[in-house]
Amino acid sequence: GDSVTQMEGPVTLSEEAFLTINCTYTATGYPSLFWYVQYPGEGLQLLLKATKADDKGSNKGFEATYRKETTSFHLEKGSVQVSDSAVYFCALSSRGSTLGRLYFGRGTQLTVWP
Amino acid sequence: DAGITQSPRHKVTETGTPVTLRCHQTENHRYMYWYRQDPGHGLRLIHYSYGVKDTDKGEVSDGYSVSRSKTEDFLLTLESATSSQTSVYFCAISGQARNNEQFFGPGTRLTVL
Repeated sequence: GDSVTQMEGPVTLSEEAFLTINCTYTATGYPSLFWYVQYPGEGLQLLLKATKADDKGSNKGFEATYRKETTSFHLEKGSVQVSDSAVYFCALSSRGSTLGRLYFGRGTQLTVWP
Repeated sequence: DAGITQSPRHKVTETGTPVTLRCHQTENHRYMYWYRQDPGHGLRLIHYSYGVKDTDKGEVSDGYSVSRSKTEDFLLTLESATSSQTSVYFCAISGQARNNEQFFGPGTRLTVL
């Protein structure tokens, strides 16, 4: 079945460090891929998305490229800030899926220190 | 921000009592979803709705029921709460079924003693 595997956390970085959070997926067909972010005490917000192979999603300095050959959608940021501290979720929506349900990874906690 | 609210935001209840959580949207979106979030599990789908009175089960639906009598409201009911249902519950909405983002509510933290 469809599933998402993402890097276990927590991840702790110093401000201005480079961030990578790995995400791989299993899906029938060609899914759409998403990164969501959850700040403390809040719901999830869409960070970026990609709907077809080789698409690059980007937002707020974060980027992720849809790699069909490696079934991956790794999240990267060149220089993290303290305000990026949050939980990040990788998710997919399978084109064969009923009614657009999302499959989530387990989440990666990121803490950035000044 | 998408107009989506959840009530109550926090609730403590006892085992065996019924509990109803409400999700309300002002976006007129067709699709609505209930998820639960637990450490180490990410978010898991409980039930979803694709229209008024049209609902179906997700992957962790046992012990939960839902109703949608109006486009804007999606209710999640725990008929007889158990401690394993202690969790944070999120409602989400979407205007399209596929390839479209879901907008999430702020969540309800439920504790079953």
